Amino acid sequence: EAQVTQNPRYLITVTGKKLTVTCSQNMNHEYMSWYRQDPGLGLRQIYYSMNVEVTDKGDVPEGYKVSRKEKRNFPLILESPSPNQTSLYFCASAQGGGIYEQYFGPGTRLTVT
Amino acid sequence: AQSVTQLGSHVSVSEGALVLLRCNYSSSVPPYLFWYVQYPNQGLQLLLKYTTGATLVKGINGFEAEFKKSETSFHLTKPSAHMSDAAEYFCAVRGTGRRALTFGSGTRLQVQP
Repeated sequence: EAQVTQNPRYLITVTGKKLTVTCSQNMNHEYMSWYRQDPGLGLRQIYYSMNVEVTDKGDVPEGYKVSRKEKRNFPLILESPSPNQTSLYFCASAQGGGIYEQYFGPGTRLTVT
Repeated sequence: AQSVTQLGSHVSVSEGALVLLRCNYSSSVPPYLFWYVQYPNQGLQLLLKYTTGATLVKGINGFEAEFKKSETSFHLTKPSAHMSDAAEYFCAVRGTGRRALTFGSGTRLQVQP
């Protein structure tokens, strides 16, 4: 089954404790992206990747890191999480440059206390 | 820069009534436009998309949208609402440069029996 998977689905952590949210897709898509969803703000792009070893900042990259060492994986790293990073995070993937349909993962709800 | 405005954060309709969700965009280049739906506790799913060609596009679950360049609009409609249509709906436009999507803030649709 074609899908985007994220782990963990739920995470509660404390300020400053490094964490990684994994994202994996099995559709051989070149494009992958991370979004955060906050009430009233819709989805905002954090980082995206056009292909392996090619990443770029989205609209809200501060406090986040990403890497794309393999085509199928695109982990999101929070090196020193803060409470304002409490949010719902979605990973997505797409063919080509991502201008067509994006396939979304189920989301990761992160709480930073 | 690209932007999307969704008028009305909450819309309530009766079952069987017309659904109209409004979306206006700004874009410095010919846009690709999308509507996504998010059911509770799930990721986003593509409803329909406009890329080129016919300005009236049909999507899944009986939804359709019309691209009106002169009005910079891409409103989503469905002739008869079902209870199962209750969800949050997001309009999105292709971003400038290498970014894929810029999302609106979302419209939550309630369907009353």
